[in-house]
Amino acid sequence: DGGITQSPKYLFRKEGQNVTLSCEQNLNHDAMYWYRQDPGQGLRLIYYSQIVNDFQKGDIAEGYSVSREKKESFPLTVTSAQKNPTAFYLCASSSRRGGGTEAFFGQGTRLTVV
Amino acid sequence: RKEVEQDPGPFNVPEGATVAFNCTYSNSASQSFFWYRQDCRKEPKLLMSVYSSGNEDGRFTAQLNRASQYISLLIRDSKLSDSATYLCVVNNGGFQKLVFGTGTRLLVSP
Repeated sequence: DGGITQSPKYLFRKEGQNVTLSCEQNLNHDAMYWYRQDPGQGLRLIYYSQIVNDFQKGDIAEGYSVSREKKESFPLTVTSAQKNPTAFYLCASSSRRGGGTEAFFGQGTRLTVV
Repeated sequence: RKEVEQDPGPFNVPEGATVAFNCTYSNSASQSFFWYRQDCRKEPKLLMSVYSSGNEDGRFTAQLNRASQYISLLIRDSKLSDSATYLCVVNNGGFQKLVFGTGTRLLVSP
């Protein structure tokens, strides 16, 4: 079955440690996105990629980095420079359908700083 | 002004009620529109796209008003299982860049 897979589901990070969140899709979608969601708040865009080897900063890119070496994969690294990383991280992908676009989400990763 | 605005709610309604949510967007060049549903601590899932002519899927009806720059979602005969947060999503011009509203929370009670 086609879909988006995020791993791990839960992740604990120590202060000053970098961690990488995995996102893989087999939907053959061109665009992929990383969002952050804090309790009671909407989704905020961290980075997005329209094509392999290209990505753009979103609204809250500071303290994060990404790569897009393969169409199927868009990993997110949360660096030690991110001062408040505890949040729910969602990866999504999209492709044009019928003139519009819709996004499909992975199940998310809950990151907690301990 | 936010690019996409929604009333956060919560909207508390009894089972069987009809409830409507609106979402306003600021960019007149926005190209496509969607409603997503998000259950507590889960990922958002597409509920329905919003077409210019309006569209219906069972108990759910979505409409777009380009002149006033808002989209709406109507839920008829509310079920307990409809309790969730409903996110308005706008493709705000540019290639495949989506903007999410903060969501409207719906609570359906027996």
